[in-house]
Amino acid sequence: GAGVSQSPSNKVTEKGKDVELRCDPISGHTALYWYRQRLGQGLEFLIYFQGNSAPDKSGLPSDRFSAERTGESVSTLTIQRTQQEDSAVYLCASSLVLAANTGELFFGEGSRLTVL
Amino acid sequence: DAKTTQPPSMDCAEGRAANLPCNHSTISGNEYVYWYRQIHSQGPQYIIHGLKNNETNEMASLIITEDRKSSTLILPHATLRDTAVYYCIDPDRGSTLGRLYFGRGTQLTVWP
Repeated sequence: GAGVSQSPSNKVTEKGKDVELRCDPISGHTALYWYRQRLGQGLEFLIYFQGNSAPDKSGLPSDRFSAERTGESVSTLTIQRTQQEDSAVYLCASSLVLAANTGELFFGEGSRLTVL
Repeated sequence: DAKTTQPPSMDCAEGRAANLPCNHSTISGNEYVYWYRQIHSQGPQYIIHGLKNNETNEMASLIITEDRKSSTLILPHATLRDTAVYYCIDPDRGSTLGRLYFGRGTQLTVWP
């Protein structure tokens, strides 16, 4: 595809349920990032994948959050036992290896999660 | 934990230059300054980046002070479509480029 694709675009769930958010990066981009943006706030770094290296998980807020990436393609962010404070827009971004050195990230439109 | 400081909001008349300031007093010598913007309900969009010299591209110009403690993003002829939140970012020191601190940015409103 032409850009980073995320699904679902909107997700409403009940407290305590698990959710999965999907990200399809731009083809050929080896780096993939997940961010969270609460209403009216800036972006909060969650996790970063780069090729076959161990991911940088230092931004994950709790052990209820996990993410996987298959090779250099699709990534899934999983939130277990969702809480109301998990409500946010979850943004995925990708970049070329070289672009990762220049800070040029390409973002998807985000997945808006609402936990009731 | 944003390491940059920006005014929360600014206004600009359509067709005029928009000058968006940013303080990044803790930036180290080899860290770039990056600017992104986020139009309502969209993902952030890369604008420009620089290290020491002023930079210009088709979207904007970036002026970096000699001591590198502040910079200004210039949109030379603002349009209504430039209404967005503008983020000035410097990477988390010592970590990968993925950990960009976006902070709350500056809400730029361009008026007709």
